[in-house]
This record gives sequence, structure tokens and C-alpha cells, in this order.
Amino acid sequence: TQLLEQSPQFLSIQEGENLTVYCNSSSVFSSLQWYRQEPGEGPVLLVTVVTGGEVKKLKRLTFQFGDARKDSSLHITAAQPGDTGLYLCALRNNAGNMLTFGGGTRLMVKP
Amino acid sequence: GAGVSQTPSNKVTEKGKYVELRCDPISGHTALYWYRQSLGQGPEFLIYFQGTGAADDSGLPNDRFFAVRPEGSVSTLKIQRTERGDSAVYLCASSLALPGVYNEQFFGPGTRLTVL
Repeated sequence: TQLLEQSPQFLSIQEGENLTVYCNSSSVFSSLQWYRQEPGEGPVLLVTVVTGGEVKKLKRLTFQFGDARKDSSLHITAAQPGDTGLYLCALRNNAGNMLTFGGGTRLMVKP
Repeated sequence: GAGVSQTPSNKVTEKGKYVELRCDPISGHTALYWYRQSLGQGPEFLIYFQGTGAADDSGLPNDRFFAVRPEGSVSTLKIQRTERGDSAVYLCASSLALPGVYNEQFFGPGTRLTVL
């Protein structure tokens, strides 16, 4: 059983649409990170959420940490083709030297 | 500035052969990490170096996998007697190691290994 479950696995939408992807676990997290990975590149950190109920915004991206700190969501408003990529959530261990990733949501935004 | 670089970008080998994958971290980063990303999956942790020593190698799948970082900078991941199941993208990341704060890991573009 994967520690972090991401859904959906795949999402294909038209430019301008809104979307939400999810990251869930049965465990409580102290913090959670979101990354985006483009083809042929490594993951790039987008945000870290720490406090239950926390909401962070990064331009058209809104990240939310669940009140119970067991889930998180990423909402993209008015998606653009440049948003295409693999979105990964990840936990870091207490020492901060190991990341555990979910399986990712592969997003394609068509022009 | 230069990011993490990995060579080769692609490696095709035959089952049973030995391969070496190289990682050049960001200058000044004392921490270095290796991850493996299978097709359609998220990256999985393999090993973490602090300086020259492997501080955590709990993610190495078996004794065919070994990594070194002899001078505390460049690292090489070595895979002996490769198997088809080793086919994946091998990602390297580096970070500072400042105490008491989270040190962001910066990833390289990966080496895509294909074992035929």
C-alpha cells in the first residue's frame, strides 16, 4: 500500500478549464510538498504546506492542506498548455533527508 | 548558475552488464541524493550522502546497487549484473545541509537506463 495516493492518475483538459488533483493518506503528515516534473527533467518544488487548513497560492495554483493533515489538494485555475506535466506530492522524513513521493497525476492541457 | 547535471542522459545496456551513472551536484551542496523513477511512478529514494559518507542507504534494492562519493562532490551510482527490472530514470538531487532548517533538494534531469 502506497503511503501517498494521488488522484486522478491522468487528466486531459482543454486550455482555460479549472482542475483539482488530490493527495491522500491514512497517516497524519507534519508537512507535505508539491512538485511539478516536466518530461526529461527532474521534479521542481512548488510549495510546502505545514499547518492544517493552510492555503497557499502560487499564481493560478492554489494548494490546500487538510484540517486533519492527512490530505492535500492542488487547484489550477484557467489551465494553460504550460501547466502540462506530472504533479507529485511528497513527504519528507523527520531528518529532512528523504522524500517519499506519491505516484503523481499526469496532466495534459490542450490548446 | 549551474544546476545538478547527470551523465549520460540515456544509457542502453544488455542484461547482465555493469553500468555507472554520474551526478555532478550544485557547487557547495554537501548533501546528495539518488532516486529511481519507474515508468508511471513517482521517484523512490535510494541513498543519501552527507559529504563523502553514505548516511542512509536504506533504499538500495539489493547488493547489485552501490554508490560512491569519494571527494564529497561528484557521485557515481553503480549497478552490477543489470536486470530488465532495473530499467528506469535515475534521478540525482543535491542540497545544502544547514542545521535546523529544511534544505530544499534540487533535482537533475536524470539518466534514463534501459536494460534490454
